Amino acid sequence: RKEVEQDPGPFNVPEGATVAFNCTYSNSASQSFFWYRQDCRKEPKLLMSVYSSGNEDGRFTAQLNRASQYISLLIRDSKLSDSATYLCVVNSDNFNKFYFGSGTKLNVKP
Amino acid sequence: DVKVTQSSRYLVKRTGEKVFLECVQDMDHENMFWYRQDPGLGLRLIYFSYDVKMKEKGDIPEGYSVSREKKERFSLILESASTNQTSMYLCASRNPSGRDEQYFGPGTRLTVT
Repeated sequence: RKEVEQDPGPFNVPEGATVAFNCTYSNSASQSFFWYRQDCRKEPKLLMSVYSSGNEDGRFTAQLNRASQYISLLIRDSKLSDSATYLCVVNSDNFNKFYFGSGTKLNVKP
Repeated sequence: DVKVTQSSRYLVKRTGEKVFLECVQDMDHENMFWYRQDPGLGLRLIYFSYDVKMKEKGDIPEGYSVSREKKERFSLILESASTNQTSMYLCASRNPSGRDEQYFGPGTRLTVT
């Protein structure tokens, strides 16, 4: 079983739409959770960390559900520039080791 | 701004060749990582290094070795390249006392023929 699982998509949405991705993780001892963004042929970059209480950064909201072992990312008012692959990242019980999901592709269309 | 650089963006090698991929970071980070990224499989950890001369195997270390003689440099070595090592290789660094963010280099696309 994979440590981190994501729906690969693609999610094709119009500009202005709200879109949500989920990601499930298998290790209940995981402590740190993140969403990274990866543009085509570029390296991943941190989008936001995910805290137990949930957190918001502008149009982006991340939530953690420990009981069901998933994290989510909500994007409101989608922009063309949001088109990218979104990677879910979870640390292992070795705090220096991180597992990446295979990514969810988002296409925002005019 | 953290900068992580990798020695090559594209590399083509023949089966059986010894291949060196170099990664340098300029932020004095203790932790460094080597991943490979393949379609549908995401990033998979090959090796990581806690600090100078310290290393630990990741999930797919077979066929690879690493070297960390200086804090800023982490090298990935393919002892005898094989076609199944054709992939995108990404290096990352992290300050374990900081916010847990990993900073990635631009990647090296390696093709083994």
